[in-house]
Amino acid sequence: KNQVEQSPQSLIILEGKNCTLQCNYTVSPFSNLRWYKQDTGRGPVSLTIMTFSENTKSNGRYTATLDADTKQSSLHITASQLSDSASYICVVRDRVSGGYNKLIFGAGTRLAVHP
Amino acid sequence: SQTIHQWPATLVQPVGSPLSLECTVEGTSNPNLYWYRQAAGRGLQLLFYSVGIGQISSEVPQNLSASRPQDRQFILSSKKLLLSDSGFYLCAWSWTGGSTNEKLFFGSGTQLSVL
Repeated sequence: KNQVEQSPQSLIILEGKNCTLQCNYTVSPFSNLRWYKQDTGRGPVSLTIMTFSENTKSNGRYTATLDADTKQSSLHITASQLSDSASYICVVRDRVSGGYNKLIFGAGTRLAVHP
Repeated sequence: SQTIHQWPATLVQPVGSPLSLECTVEGTSNPNLYWYRQAAGRGLQLLFYSVGIGQISSEVPQNLSASRPQDRQFILSSKKLLLSDSGFYLCAWSWTGGSTNEKLFFGSGTQLSVL
């Protein structure tokens, strides 16, 4: 069964600190992996999209890494800000031949940045 | 630029009552449209997707239905709500015919509470 597992479930850090969120997946065949940021009560917003051939991709203070061999990804947040408080969702696209390519969502990591 | 509108933001409905959630996209033509549901602590679950007017695909059997009466309008409905229909509902769109790396753009969501 295709799954996306994220850890930790929740995380509290102090403003200005760095943190790393983890994502393990069993989706196969695999097309691409995305990280989304979801503020409470809002829709998710895309941060990065990586194909299996990409190892890293940055978006400002957010850097995502991907190891397609071990089926692991991480999202590193540098110099955290209060506005980084949100849920971060790892999403893997299942690569199928023809038809609709299915997105498989992780349950997310809830990050709280405290002053 | 493209925008997606979803309403209402919150809804409290009694068990057995009907439901109608509406989503519209502006600034693009013939988008792929999606309805997702997000339960607390769970990943987003795809309910319906549509690649064109009147074309609806359902991912999971449920008490809900979807319709696409116009190119950029997507409606989620139920004739009789169940307690288990409570959750956070998200509408989303993506470009038609894009690469598998195309982004998914989400609306702001509807928090539905069935009492």
